[in-house]
Amino acid sequence: DAGVIQSPRHEVTEMGQEVTLRCKPISGHNSLFWYRQTMMRGLELLIYFNNNVPIDDSGMPEDRFSAKMPNASFSTLKIQPSEPRDSAVYFCASSLGFGTVATEAFFGQGTRLTVV
Amino acid sequence: SQQGEEDPQALSIQEGENATMNCSYKTSINNLQWYRQNSGRGLVHLILIRSNEREKHSGRLRVTLDTSKKSSSLLITASRAADTASYFCATDAGGFKTIFGAGTRLFVKA
Repeated sequence: DAGVIQSPRHEVTEMGQEVTLRCKPISGHNSLFWYRQTMMRGLELLIYFNNNVPIDDSGMPEDRFSAKMPNASFSTLKIQPSEPRDSAVYFCASSLGFGTVATEAFFGQGTRLTVV
Repeated sequence: SQQGEEDPQALSIQEGENATMNCSYKTSINNLQWYRQNSGRGLVHLILIRSNEREKHSGRLRVTLDTSKKSSSLLITASRAADTASYFCATDAGGFKTIFGAGTRLFVKA
């Protein structure tokens, strides 16, 4: 398996534009996580899905952020409109969870977003 | 707020020395995990220790867990320059989601 695949690897956009980040989890994994990493705030959990259903989106900073998982092999994180403070590295991770216990998460290489 | 807090924030050692990093957390957990992140890369899982375990080994890694003190430690023995990275502890906060601490930056000098 190629691991968790994120695209694009780098994104530079102007303030106010819509940004869509994409993630393909590892085949067979039933949980998917979106994290944001910055120097100031560290690694923040934005939202996670279990069996394609959003379970907890309490980490999504504001309504400008939305995430979808239309099927088991694809997820998107959208920011509309984007702002300079959204600049960060966004990671997608997937895992094979059992019941309600977290297990080893496999991370993608991340998308470095710069909003100018 | 972050569930796990690592200590120290940064650590610089000579190759061959042992490196110890600590993690404290706030709420009950089912398990605790340690991850490594090389600069500009995604996180890589190192080891998972369950709440009913006290110690676990994996190669040069040794992890301990003290649930009464809500703390864990990661020991890397005989460190190498390639161990230079940031190390994060992660807990499940008793639930399904994984919450990461701020990390310890380890620098191993050759």
